[in-house]
Amino acid sequence: DAGVIQSPRHEVTEMGQEVTLRCKPISGHDYLFWYRQTMMRGLELLIYFNNNVPIDDSGMPEDRFSAKMPNASFSTLKIQPSEPRDSAVYFCASRPHRDYLTDTQYFGPGTRLTVL
Amino acid sequence: GQQLNQSPQSMFIQEGEDVSMNCTSSSIFNTWLWYKQDPGEGPVLLIALYKAGELTSNGRLTAQFGITRKDSFLNISASIPSDVGIYFCAGQSINNDMRFGAGTRLTVKP
Repeated sequence: DAGVIQSPRHEVTEMGQEVTLRCKPISGHDYLFWYRQTMMRGLELLIYFNNNVPIDDSGMPEDRFSAKMPNASFSTLKIQPSEPRDSAVYFCASRPHRDYLTDTQYFGPGTRLTVL
Repeated sequence: GQQLNQSPQSMFIQEGEDVSMNCTSSSIFNTWLWYKQDPGEGPVLLIALYKAGELTSNGRLTAQFGITRKDSFLNISASIPSDVGIYFCAGQSINNDMRFGAGTRLTVKP
């Protein structure tokens, strides 16, 4: 398996523009997670899905952020409008459902977002 | 945000030396995980611990799940240059809540 795939790997945009980050989880994994990593706050969970349904979005910073999972093999994280403080590395991770106590998350390579 | 205290924040060691880092929490976790992150990449799972008191090895890496379920440590023996990177601990609770430590940045001098 190719692992979790994220695109783009790097995104540079101007303040106010819409940004869409994409993720393809590992085939067969039931859970998908979106994280944000910054120097100041480390790794933060933004939202996670189970079987394409959003379960916990309490980590989403504000209404400018939205995430969707239209099918088991694709998810998007959208920021509209983007602001400079959104600059960070955004990771997608997936996890199988065989046994929630023993299965762990596998991370993608991340998307480095810079908002000017 | 982070609820795990990971220490040390950074380490500078000589190749061949052993390394030890740990994580503590005010909360109980059902699973402790240790990840390594290389520059420009996502965290990669090194070791997963599922039972209190469990001691698990993966090559030169050894990790333990604390008896109180509120702490864990990771040891790296005989460090080599490719051990350089940032090491994260993570605690996972029964409701899928996962928290990460701030990371330990390891530098290994040849």
